[in-house]
Amino acid sequence: AQTVTQSQPEMSVQEAETVTLSCTYDTSESDYYLFWYKQPPSRQMILVIRQEAYKQQNATENRFSVNFQKAAKSFSLKISDSQLGDAAMYFCAYDNNDMRFGAGTRLTVKP
Amino acid sequence: NAGVTQTPKFQVLKTGQSMTLQCAQDMNHEYMSWYRQDPGMGLRLIHYSVGAGITDQGEVPNGYNVSRSTTEDFPLRLLSAAPSQTSVYFCASRNETGTATDTQYFGPGTRLTVL
Repeated sequence: AQTVTQSQPEMSVQEAETVTLSCTYDTSESDYYLFWYKQPPSRQMILVIRQEAYKQQNATENRFSVNFQKAAKSFSLKISDSQLGDAAMYFCAYDNNDMRFGAGTRLTVKP
Repeated sequence: NAGVTQTPKFQVLKTGQSMTLQCAQDMNHEYMSWYRQDPGMGLRLIHYSVGAGITDQGEVPNGYNVSRSTTEDFPLRLLSAAPSQTSVYFCASRNETGTATDTQYFGPGTRLTVL
C-alpha cells in the first residue's frame, strides 16, 4: 500500500523568509499525482500545488514551489517570502485513485 | 455553484446509533470520496465512487457503507456508531478525466462525536 511520510510535525519560519516542508512517499506505480494541501483552523482543505509524476518540471504557484525527485520518491514544498497567512497545517498527498495523506506539518510564521 | 456541501456540520451520537452523513456536489463530478481526519493525522480514505452505481473501499472502510444512486449525492452511513468513529469527516469530488487539470474539491467537514 502507498504510504506518505511527513517527517516534520512542526516547522517555524520568520515572516518574509523561506521554508521547506519535506514529504516522502512509497509506491510501485509510475503514474500518479502529488499534492500539497493547506488546512487552516477553519478545517477547510485548500489545494496549494499539484505535481504530475510524468512531468519532470517542478510545479510552481506564485510563492509556492516543489522539488519533485521521482527516483527518490521525494516531494518537498518551498514557501518563499512567508506571510502570516501561510500559518496552517500542511498535508502532502499521493493520489492514484486511492488518495493517501501524510500526517501533516504545522507551520508557524513569526512576525 | 455551491461546490461540495456536507450536512450536518456537527453531530453527537450514542454508541450503537445509526446515522447518515450527507454529501452533495453541483459540479457534475464523476469521482466522489469520503475521508476521516483524526487528531494528529492526515485524511484517510473511507470509500470512493467513480460514478453513479459504482463504489469501492478505501483505506479504512470498516463500519461505513456508501451508495451512489445519482451523480450529485454520495451519502456515508454509519450503521452502529462506535467511539472509535469520533472524527472529522470530509467529502470530496473531482472530475475523473485523468488529466492534469483535475482538482479535488473538499467539503467543509462534519465533526462527529460518538459517546
